[in-house]
Amino acid sequence: EAGVAQSPRYKIIEKRQSVAFWCNPISGHATLYWYQQILGQGPKLLIQFQNNGVVDDSQLPKDRFSAERLKGVDSTLKIQPAKLEDSAVYLCASSLGGAGFYEQYFGPGTRLTVT
Amino acid sequence: KQEVTQIPAALSVPEGENLVLNCSFTDSAIYNLQWFRQDPGKGLTSLLLIQSSQREQTSGRLNASLDKSSGRSTLYIAASQPGDSATYLCAVKIQGAQKLVFGQGTRLTINP
Repeated sequence: EAGVAQSPRYKIIEKRQSVAFWCNPISGHATLYWYQQILGQGPKLLIQFQNNGVVDDSQLPKDRFSAERLKGVDSTLKIQPAKLEDSAVYLCASSLGGAGFYEQYFGPGTRLTVT
Repeated sequence: KQEVTQIPAALSVPEGENLVLNCSFTDSAIYNLQWFRQDPGKGLTSLLLIQSSQREQTSGRLNASLDKSSGRSTLYIAASQPGDSATYLCAVKIQGAQKLVFGQGTRLTINP
């Protein structure tokens, strides 16, 4: 079974530029999560999708971050414009469903550096 | 608000030792607790998942315990090996919510 795929793996941009990350979840997984992990900290949930609907985006900085999950499969996370404090690893995860007993599987992450 | 704390932030031990990593959480209303491993530049690998009704889970040289009433979990690693060097993260799933709340991790180094 293929795992969660993410691209690119690394990205370096200047502040005020835009960037987009892509995630392909495990086949059949209805729930998709985007986490932000700043160096030395644990991951923090940015947004959660159930199929193509948003379940939780309470910690997503909506003035600059946006995410979509068209057709309930792949997802993209965009930052526009980027700030220095957005430097982090962006992790995508998926699970069969959103209920508590479903385990989340994580992708390798995209490391973003904003200069 | 649920907060998860891991102590120590970093740990270095010689190969072969048994060791314990600690995780504490402020709200005992959790659905489950999960321990992850993260290697540099990699994503998270799930090690053990303990449901709130369980007291412990074991996998090979790893044993995780959960004391929900005191808000604590420990990850015990037996006979440590250099390949165990990584950052270990614990996370709780809050009842009524679907997201994981993570601790900041413990960076473990096993010296040959």
